[in-house]
Amino acid sequence: GESVGLHLPTLSVQEGDNSIINCAYSNSASDYFIWYKQESGKGPQFIIDIRSNMDKRQGQRVTVLLNKTVKHLSLQIAATQPGDSAVYFCAEGKNYGGSQGNLIFGKGTKLSVKP
Amino acid sequence: DAGVIQSPRHEVTEMGQEVTLRCKPISGHDYLFWYRQTMMRGLELLIYFNNNVPIDDSGMPEDRFSAKMPNASFSTLKIQPSEPRDSAVYFCASSPTGGRFSEQYFGPGTRLTVT
Repeated sequence: GESVGLHLPTLSVQEGDNSIINCAYSNSASDYFIWYKQESGKGPQFIIDIRSNMDKRQGQRVTVLLNKTVKHLSLQIAATQPGDSAVYFCAEGKNYGGSQGNLIFGKGTKLSVKP
Repeated sequence: DAGVIQSPRHEVTEMGQEVTLRCKPISGHDYLFWYRQTMMRGLELLIYFNNNVPIDDSGMPEDRFSAKMPNASFSTLKIQPSEPRDSAVYFCASSPTGGRFSEQYFGPGTRLTVT
């Protein structure tokens, strides 16, 4: 069936370095993709999203890249900080006639930032 | 705004007992989602509502699970009878309707332990 998955379950980076978290998706009909951050003991928190008709979107210290040719999504975090340590989920969704549909979440990647 | 409110934050119960989880979405949000998160299966959508009406309950595991949304500011997820395999963190999320796709705002979750 359709699914969203991640290449790497864990990622360890040095503080100050850039981080890249990857995600593979299989539903080419998805309209949008979202990255969430989940800290320990908390609910997922929205980071950034991107429409399917875009290939790049930038936020504050984060950039999401979408490659529809290979059905790949990535989240880049610049100058990674200890506060970025969390589990990151990608999710895909589809609009239905202007109304929102449900999101399908990937398994998550744990990012650990070493001081 | 206080964000999505869930109660209780922790619930420990014995197998066979009824469990009721509660959620108050963000005021003005038209969509409400119930998720379950486990280490093995990740974040799974159970059911979601639009304007208090259930839209998709295909993720509800079995008849032991039921969800209601009697009004725009309150929803419940009930498990009866509960089983040890129901142990998980249950999240409620809400989102507004918009012309573009919308992010979901998650509550802090209810950690359920069934012994």
